[in-house]
Parts: sequence; C-alpha cells; structure tokens
Amino acid sequence: ETGVTQTPRHLVMGMTNKKSLKCEQHLGHNAMYWYKQSAKKPLELMFVYSLEERVENNSVPSRFSPECPNSSHLFLHLHTLQPEDSALYLCASSQESSGTYNEQFFGPGTRLTVL
Amino acid sequence: KQEVTQIPAALSVPEGENLVLNCSFTDSAIYNLQWFRQDPGKGLTSLLLIQSSQREQTSGRLNASLDKSSGRSTLYIAASQPGDSATYLCAVKSSNTGKLIFGQGTTLQVKP
Repeated sequence: ETGVTQTPRHLVMGMTNKKSLKCEQHLGHNAMYWYKQSAKKPLELMFVYSLEERVENNSVPSRFSPECPNSSHLFLHLHTLQPEDSALYLCASSQESSGTYNEQFFGPGTRLTVL
Repeated sequence: KQEVTQIPAALSVPEGENLVLNCSFTDSAIYNLQWFRQDPGKGLTSLLLIQSSQREQTSGRLNASLDKSSGRSTLYIAASQPGDSATYLCAVKSSNTGKLIFGQGTTLQVKP
C-alpha cells in the first residue's frame, strides 16, 4: 500500500449507531487531517494532528471524536450522528516542519450516509 | 477571514482546447497555494503546489501561476482531453492560521 488509505470507502449508519473511520498514511508524514466535504460546499477542516497531538479542533460537534494512536494512523469515531452529517470524509497527511509548509496528500475518502 | 473563490463554477469545452481556471483569495498572507483534481466521489489528487515566493509551477500540460499581491492564481490546461474531466480545487495555506482553505471548485467537462 502506498500513499493515504481510508476504510471503509462507503458507510451507511443509523443515528443510534457507533462506527469508526480509519485512515493510514504510508508516506512517513508527521501531520494528519480530517476534512468534511458536503454537497455544494467547500472542504471543511475538522481536525489536525501534528506529531500525534491534536493541534486543531475546528468547532466540530462532540459526536465526532478523533483518535491518533501513532503518526501513521488516524481514526474518526462516530456516534449519534444526524442526517446532515452525511458527506464525504477525507483524510490527508503532510510533512510539517518549522518554516516549511508542504503539500497535503489526500486519501480516497469515506462516503458516509446517515439514515 | 480568508476566502477562496473559483470562477467559473462549471466549464465545458471541446477536446483539444486550451483553457484557464481562475482562483482568487482575499488575504495575501499565505504560505502556499495548491491545485487539486477530484474525480466524482473520490479523494483529491494534488496537481501543483506553488510556494508564496514562487510565480508559477509546471507539470506536463498544466501550468499554475500565482500573483500573491493581487490574490489570484490561474491553472492553465493545454490541449485538453476527455480524461481531464473532473473538479479542480484551489486551496491556500493561510500563514495566519496554518489552515488550508479551499474554494468550491470548478467542474470541467471536456467533450470528445
């Protein structure tokens, strides 16, 4: 496997379910990101992890809970979601260092539908 | 607050045409600007990244320019092909917040 992978690619869940999205990067990067892409809206940054510490939480509801156990893996735990949370959830990674801001590489996304 | 706008929202051209996609941003305090391609229902593929100190970047038939002072970038696609059909996203990395701010994209259709 190369690049950034995400599983599952598609997920349908009820509002009372608990599920998790997984992201894995094979690029040796030190920062990982979760984005949400809803129809007809720009990508919205949700969370940023740098060196396994959360450095950004972009006012995301608590029903979304990220976890970064190591620099290669990132999870998004979901519970009691709403239908408006249906979207494409994209993971990205980059190599960040002081004074150098490098390009982000994206995974294929998880298409989430909340019934 | 940084805002990124892409015009047009959609574009349809015949195969072989050269075309230009536009991106504008409101705050010139950026580290870099990145152009992405997104196929329907798929993730993003990075096409070109221009650092704030650079004026342009080229990759194959693609050329991206950056005019930081005027808050504009263009993506030039030469000799377009049906396989170029996709949504093209522009994003700037804010030097104030470190966040990548995206435009809504331009959906390109290249007709055979």
